[in-house]
Amino acid sequence: QQPVQSPQAVILREGEDAVINCSSSKALYSVHWYRQKHGEAPVFLMILLKGGEQKGHDKISASFNEKKQQSSLYLTASQLSYSGTYFCGTPKGSFGGYQKVTFGTGTKLQVIP
Amino acid sequence: ETGVTQTPRHLVMGMTNKKSLKCEQHLGHNAMYWYKQSAKKPLELMFVYNFKEQTENNSVPSRFSPECPNSSHLFLHLHTLQPEDSALYLCASSHSGLAGPYEQYFGPGTRLTVT
Repeated sequence: QQPVQSPQAVILREGEDAVINCSSSKALYSVHWYRQKHGEAPVFLMILLKGGEQKGHDKISASFNEKKQQSSLYLTASQLSYSGTYFCGTPKGSFGGYQKVTFGTGTKLQVIP
Repeated sequence: ETGVTQTPRHLVMGMTNKKSLKCEQHLGHNAMYWYKQSAKKPLELMFVYNFKEQTENNSVPSRFSPECPNSSHLFLHLHTLQPEDSALYLCASSHSGLAGPYEQYFGPGTRLTVT
């Protein structure tokens, strides 16, 4: 079953902050985050492994609460280059091996000047 | 060439045609994946190959036939497709091993239109 993302879409002005949420009905061992710009391939942002662990990528960070089976992506002081569709992915099983990832429906983020 | 490449980038085919999509990765990865991306739908995993062995078939119709001759190349053979198969087909690769999980690297995709 795919994770549920919210919101489905958001429009920001440059410099504003945003939060994208990802919830799963199944136990999570890790959460992947990717961004896909229009007409391009999805690009890896980060993997979160432990409950409550926050990781960062420029001004984009994320948290993972395995008890709540949720992850949140935080975009701080958004830039035009942040525009795209953000996907969370929840791998089946624990670590190691290849990753059978189920992706969420995506959150379309548009940053305007 | 670097990263993950896919050819062709665009393909239009009739329902009775046979065509193949090609994916090549230059990253030294051992796992390769096919995904289908339709409008307003999430990325759907179709197949996974790990060390050239097919390890996942996500209930994909038999009109899609994957082939992985080596760890660097992945093909998706198409025959007698339906209009609802029109989508962006993405190939990805990743490392595979106990030190994971590993991120996936995606190719640019093949935009397929079935007429």
